[in-house]
Amino acid sequence: GAGVSQSPRYKVAKRGQDVALRCDPISGHVSLFWYQQALGQGPEFLTYFQNEAQLDKSGLPSDRFFAERPEGSVSTLKIQRTQQEDSAVYLCASSRNHPGNTEAFFGQGTRLTVV
Amino acid sequence: DAKTTQPNSMESNEEEPVHLPCNHSTISGTDYIHWYRQLPSQGPEYVIHGLTSNVNNRMASLAIAEDRKSSTLILHRATLRDAAVYYCIPGRGNMLTFGGGTRLMVKP
Repeated sequence: GAGVSQSPRYKVAKRGQDVALRCDPISGHVSLFWYQQALGQGPEFLTYFQNEAQLDKSGLPSDRFFAERPEGSVSTLKIQRTQQEDSAVYLCASSRNHPGNTEAFFGQGTRLTVV
Repeated sequence: DAKTTQPNSMESNEEEPVHLPCNHSTISGTDYIHWYRQLPSQGPEYVIHGLTSNVNNRMASLAIAEDRKSSTLILHRATLRDAAVYYCIPGRGNMLTFGGGTRLMVKP
């Protein structure tokens, strides 16, 4: 079946512009995660959903970052008033159930460049 | 979350076995040990995970020390396609905490 799909693959935004990044998880997967990966670094956790409930948003770097998953499937990560430091690859992952003892499947990411 | 220590980089020859070490001395008793890898321009990919016993799957083997303070990912025959950053991630919570990982280079 299809894996985790993210769109767009690349996004260039002018500083101050709002952006929305989409994630289509694997069908039926309960858990969904967003990560941010700066160049040369490992991915860093942003937020976690179980179905439509956002259970952990401790990794969101500022109140300019907002994520939603209203129907428990597709998720959108929105960044308002983008800054240069927001330039990174944004990765989405999903897993079948509670992620502690199961594998997570990652998308290819959206590379955001803020100019 | 447990802190991990991995070599920044390792080199291997194609067709030879590779042993990738990870120290996680502060691991808790209920943490699983996950390994993921990330190929260039790709998202991370699950490799293997275990709790106490050694584990094998089609990709790799995971050897876990008896005190669980360290583990070793074993690729039995490295191929050029195995060149990637390998992350060792102890945990059982709602997120995977990636460190810097080990960059594996495979020479033909």
